Amino acid sequence: EAGVTQFPSHSVIEKGQTVTLRCDPISGHDNLYWYRRVMGKEIKFLLHFVKESKQDESGMPNNRFLAERTGGTYSTLKVQPAELEDSGVYFCASSQRATASTDTQYFGPGTRLTVL
Amino acid sequence: QKEVEQNSGPLSVPEGAIASLNCTYSDRGSQSFFWYRQYSGKSPELIMFIYSNGDKEDGRFTAQLNKASQYVSLLIRDSQPSDSATYLCAVSSIKAAGNKLTFGGGTRVLVKP
Repeated sequence: EAGVTQFPSHSVIEKGQTVTLRCDPISGHDNLYWYRRVMGKEIKFLLHFVKESKQDESGMPNNRFLAERTGGTYSTLKVQPAELEDSGVYFCASSQRATASTDTQYFGPGTRLTVL
Repeated sequence: QKEVEQNSGPLSVPEGAIASLNCTYSDRGSQSFFWYRQYSGKSPELIMFIYSNGDKEDGRFTAQLNKASQYVSLLIRDSQPSDSATYLCAVSSIKAAGNKLTFGGGTRVLVKP
């Protein structure tokens, strides 16, 4: 079974440009999460999809970030325009049953974003 | 105060010894507790979770939870060089919609042959 995949693995862009990150969850997982780790800080939650619906987007830092999950399959996270403080590693995770508090989230390898 | 706190380390452990990692959390509504292992440049990988007070063992790993003290720990027995990694403590809260995880900063473990 394929794990969570993310593309690209690295992205280097200039301030003011737009970047789109993609996440493909494990097949059959309805729940998809985005997290971010900026340098020197802990991993922080951004948002949670259940199928194509946003369940919780309380962690999104501002309106420069837009997440979508069309058709309830893969998800994209767009940053427009990118700022220096957006640099970090963006992780995607997926799980089967968000109704169970012990539902396991499986993480992707992350996308390392560098904004110059 | 951070929501989930861990000693950043590094925790240096001789091969074959027990590594003891600690994690404290501030939200008394926290319901489930997860330990992830992350090798440099790789994705976090779940080691185990615990949600009841007491101990839970899985192979060389034992998780311990004390909700009254808001404390969770991970013991790694017979530590191996391959256990050298960053260990992340994460909690989920019953107040949260869905199961978003709140992470600590991680403890770096170095197992020396």
